[in-house]
Amino acid sequence: QVQLVQSGAEVKKPGASVKVSCKASGYTFTSYYMHWVRQAPGQGLEWMGIINPSGGSTSYAQKFQGRVTMTRDTSTSTVYMELSSLRSEDTAVYYCASSRTFHDAFDIWGQGTMVTVSS
Amino acid sequence: QSVLTQPPSASGTPGQRVTISCSGSSSNIGSNYVYWYQQLPGTAPKLLIYRNNQRPSGVPDRFSGSKSGTSASLAISGLRSEDEADYYCAAWDDSLSAVVFGGGTKLTVL
Repeated sequence: QVQLVQSGAEVKKPGASVKVSCKASGYTFTSYYMHWVRQAPGQGLEWMGIINPSGGSTSYAQKFQGRVTMTRDTSTSTVYMELSSLRSEDTAVYYCASSRTFHDAFDIWGQGTMVTVSS
Repeated sequence: QSVLTQPPSASGTPGQRVTISCSGSSSNIGSNYVYWYQQLPGTAPKLLIYRNNQRPSGVPDRFSGSKSGTSASLAISGLRSEDEADYYCAAWDDSLSAVVFGGGTKLTVL
């Protein structure tokens, strides 16, 4: 079945970087865009950016420009989201989610990865 | 402060019909599709409505979406206890070149 499986929880110190993975299965990896959305504890959803697994092109929300990097490995059907210069406000659950086109609905979601930033 | 505005809470009794509003602007809802997501406690969001009023397969027809101008609504009829969840609206914003979300509405089934 179609699914996105993310890597496990992470605990990082302020100033460090974190890299979260999202492995796709059950569909043609390069046919769907992949987004990253995060949710701070008790808060709403926040879009971080998108990667086209076919060519690797990316588009990031202005808030994260310069701090986030999204990459993909077509050989393993995996996308990665790396966030650098972590601060306590980055503590959140990070989700990957796929869409059929750039602006389309997020129809499949990963299970989420908790990233805790604490000294 | 979310770009799209939703009421923080809504409630209803079993069997009732409830609606959740989502207000935006000409750069997002006014010119792009609206999506709705349901997030049950402790789980990842799930797509509920796409392209303003379309239901993915498996979503009951008790859920319906509509859009008019720069506002959208999600209606849930025949309310059930399992509908208790957080609901988020979303749309692409042409000015921000980003997907924007509402702040979410917590639905309580009394």
